Amino acid sequence: GDSVTQMEGPVTLSEEAFLTINCTYTATGYPSLFWYVQYPGEGLQLLLKATKADDKGSNKGFEATYRKETTSFHLEKGSVQVSDSAVYFCAATSGTYKYIFGTGTRLKVLA
Amino acid sequence: EADIYQTPRYLVIGTGKKITLECSQTMGHDKMYWYQQDPGMELHLIHYSYGVNSTEKGDLSSESTVSRIRTEHFPLTLESARPSHTSQYLCASSDAYGYTFGSGTRLTVV
Repeated sequence: GDSVTQMEGPVTLSEEAFLTINCTYTATGYPSLFWYVQYPGEGLQLLLKATKADDKGSNKGFEATYRKETTSFHLEKGSVQVSDSAVYFCAATSGTYKYIFGTGTRLKVLA
Repeated sequence: EADIYQTPRYLVIGTGKKITLECSQTMGHDKMYWYQQDPGMELHLIHYSYGVNSTEKGDLSSESTVSRIRTEHFPLTLESARPSHTSQYLCASSDAYGYTFGSGTRLTVV
């Protein structure tokens, strides 16, 4: 069945460090891919998305490229801030209305 | 402003009580969902709806029930709360652009 696998956390970085959170997927066809972010005490918010191969989603300095050949959608940011501390979820959907979420990766950025 | 609202944000209740968690959205989305989020952060789909009068059980078995009498409203009910129901409950709705989540209800059953 379809699945999304993302790296386990927590990930702890110093401010201004480079961030990568890995995400790979298994799905039939060509899924749309998403990254959601959850700040403490809140629901999930859409961070970025890509709907076809080689698309790059970007928002708030975060980027992720849809890599069909490696079935990956890794999240990157060149310089993290303390305010980026949150839980990040990778998700995929293959045209149905139900998303498949990864297990979440907690990011902690230290000043 | 279009949004999705969950009430209450926090609820502490005794074992055996009946509770209803409210979820409303103003975006006119047909599809709505309830997720249970455990302390390890993982999301578990417990109910979803395609539209009015449509409800389905999700991937995780749950003792809760839902109803969808109006497009904008998707309440979740626990007939008899137990400590094992203590969790964060997230409501969401979706369209072609993606999911929109509410802020969640943190339920504690004592």
